[in-house]
Amino acid sequence: EADIYQTPRYLVIGTGKKITLECSQTMGHDKMYWYQQDPGMELHLIHYSYGVNSTEKGDLSSESTVSRIRTEHFPLTLESARPSHTSQYLCASSEYEAGELFFGEGSRLTVL
Amino acid sequence: AQSVTQLGSHVSVSEGALVLLRCNYSSSVPPYLFWYVQYPNQGLQLLLKYTTGATLVKGINGFEAEFKKSETSFHLTKPSAHMSDAAEYFCAVTIRGSTLGRLYFGRGTQLTVWP
Repeated sequence: EADIYQTPRYLVIGTGKKITLECSQTMGHDKMYWYQQDPGMELHLIHYSYGVNSTEKGDLSSESTVSRIRTEHFPLTLESARPSHTSQYLCASSEYEAGELFFGEGSRLTVL
Repeated sequence: AQSVTQLGSHVSVSEGALVLLRCNYSSSVPPYLFWYVQYPNQGLQLLLKYTTGATLVKGINGFEAEFKKSETSFHLTKPSAHMSDAAEYFCAVTIRGSTLGRLYFGRGTQLTVWP
């Protein structure tokens, strides 16, 4: 069983609020990722990190930001949430080049 | 560029019937291929992966997939469906030799199993 955790699992907030989705892994993996998942669509990579102090934007443009101050922690922040940000956000990590991704259970965000 | 096409967004089978979920990939270099499963309200879990070697790959829960380079396919099969197999299945591809290890996913296939 993978040791990667996401909080909160579900979040309903109003427009304009700042939110942070937490992601932590206890496997010591260097590579971490944030994917956005919408029904019937591909999972889209929005952010990734090679290691501490390394972050890059993914394929899908996102107004969110990430940080990687510690190996085990990769939070995602939205400074001002909008209804268009309503989605499921999946965090993942991996150890090896082109290796298996370990996913958290996801954070389902609804912005009213 | 890498991409994955999953044929059929929904597949329904009876319990005990063969499960076949189709995946075709596009890659300019030899790929690594994956199948993931997602149960309701959960994250994705690896079912099986092909990297090198034997083209028929066996995974968890009785699933297997065959890499066919000539057909650019990596279809997922299970001889006999079980009710617990009902879930969404994602095919994914990555570049062999990629230092990032990022995956490109298909749109998923929802499997329904009827009693």
